[in-house]
Amino acid sequence: SQQGEEDPQALSIQEGENATMNCSYKTSINNLQWYRQNSGRGLVHLILIRSNEREKHSGRLRVTLDTSKKSSSLLITASRAADTASYFCATDARGDYKLSFGAGTTVTVRA
Amino acid sequence: NAGVTQTPKFRVLKTGQSMTLLCAQDMNHEYMYWYRQDPGMGLRLIHYSVGEGTTAKGEVPDGYNVSRLKKQNFLLGLESAAPSQTSVYFCASSYSRGRGDNTEAFFGQGTRLTVV
Repeated sequence: SQQGEEDPQALSIQEGENATMNCSYKTSINNLQWYRQNSGRGLVHLILIRSNEREKHSGRLRVTLDTSKKSSSLLITASRAADTASYFCATDARGDYKLSFGAGTTVTVRA
Repeated sequence: NAGVTQTPKFRVLKTGQSMTLLCAQDMNHEYMYWYRQDPGMGLRLIHYSVGEGTTAKGEVPDGYNVSRLKKQNFLLGLESAAPSQTSVYFCASSYSRGRGDNTEAFFGQGTRLTVV
């Protein structure tokens, strides 16, 4: 079964609003990553947070990690139409080589 | 710098036919992965490799084989295609700081495979 699960499955917001999505995982991890996928394209890396970090920022992105709850959140501030995409979290379990993805959150930003 | 290149981009197979998908990366990455993506199911790991000459099974390996004879190439084979293997296939590669300590993965643009 997949390691990470995103919530919600889909999200629709107005341009300028913030978008928040969550990821829960099952086993201890080394890192958690977030990726974006535009329709019909490959995945693009957004941000990586290590297990000893609690929060990380990159431009309009803010990621938090709570290892005690085995969960992470991705916040996109001041959303734009170009943020319309699917967002996936990915984890590499401690002691494992595999990079496992969740089912993703589809975000639609309305103009 | 090409990154990760997948060939072909599209393919239609008849049930029972075989084919090989090629993934090539020019970033000298140790780790390479093959995923399949089906609607509503995200990416599922088929096989992966942590170095030249090594391969390992992922979540959904049945019906697929892989080889990594050269560090830059990772091949995914379907020996006898089935309609259930209709999917979009993605290859990815990454550098590693050590066992289970991945860095960002770089993805190819995908191969859309239809088995009829």
